[in-house]
Amino acid sequence: EAEVAQSPRYKITEKSQAVAFWCDPISGHATLYWYRQILGQGPELLVQFQDESVVDDSQLPKDRFSAERLKGVDSTLKIQPAELGDSAMYLCASSLSWGELFFGEGSRLTVL
Amino acid sequence: GDSVTQMEGPVTLSEEAFLTINCTYTATGYPSLFWYVQYPGEGLQLLLKATKADDKGSNKGFEATYRKETTSFHLEKGSVQVSDSAVYFCALKIRGGGSQGNLIFGKGTKLSVKP
Repeated sequence: EAEVAQSPRYKITEKSQAVAFWCDPISGHATLYWYRQILGQGPELLVQFQDESVVDDSQLPKDRFSAERLKGVDSTLKIQPAELGDSAMYLCASSLSWGELFFGEGSRLTVL
Repeated sequence: GDSVTQMEGPVTLSEEAFLTINCTYTATGYPSLFWYVQYPGEGLQLLLKATKADDKGSNKGFEATYRKETTSFHLEKGSVQVSDSAVYFCALKIRGGGSQGNLIFGKGTKLSVKP
């Protein structure tokens, strides 16, 4: 069964360091999403791609976060510098346009 | 703006008990409604969905009915099992608009089922 792959599963870093997360969506899925899930809360959208183009990054803290999907397939989310408040689960999801979202297992970030 | 409110947890039930998790929404457009489940250590999985008023979504013994008049989408199961222990998220998706396909989630309700 096709899955959304994410890495790393767990990342511990010190504040002010750089961190990056990778996502490989289900083959053929044009739409890719990055969500942030703070402990005890629901996921919130950070950025949405349609192929290689950003559709919505209105909630992405652009002073420290960046996301790219250069060839319209896999994607990287970067945080530089990391802050204590960035500790969360970072979820990637993909879908066919307008279709059901399929989520990866997430990358859990702890900032010390 | 668009939002989802679901009952606070945690909810603890005995096996075979009846489950209800309340969910209400506010939406400016015409939403589709979803319940997602997150088992420990795993990603979110779609549990069920409904795309228009009065639709009933169902899966694995869980049901939810899209009630436009009360803007609700409550999740129910007649007899829960220990394996149903998880966090349940209600979510909506607005058809049309700038962020097409984006899900807006509630805060989640943790369910624990005791044998």
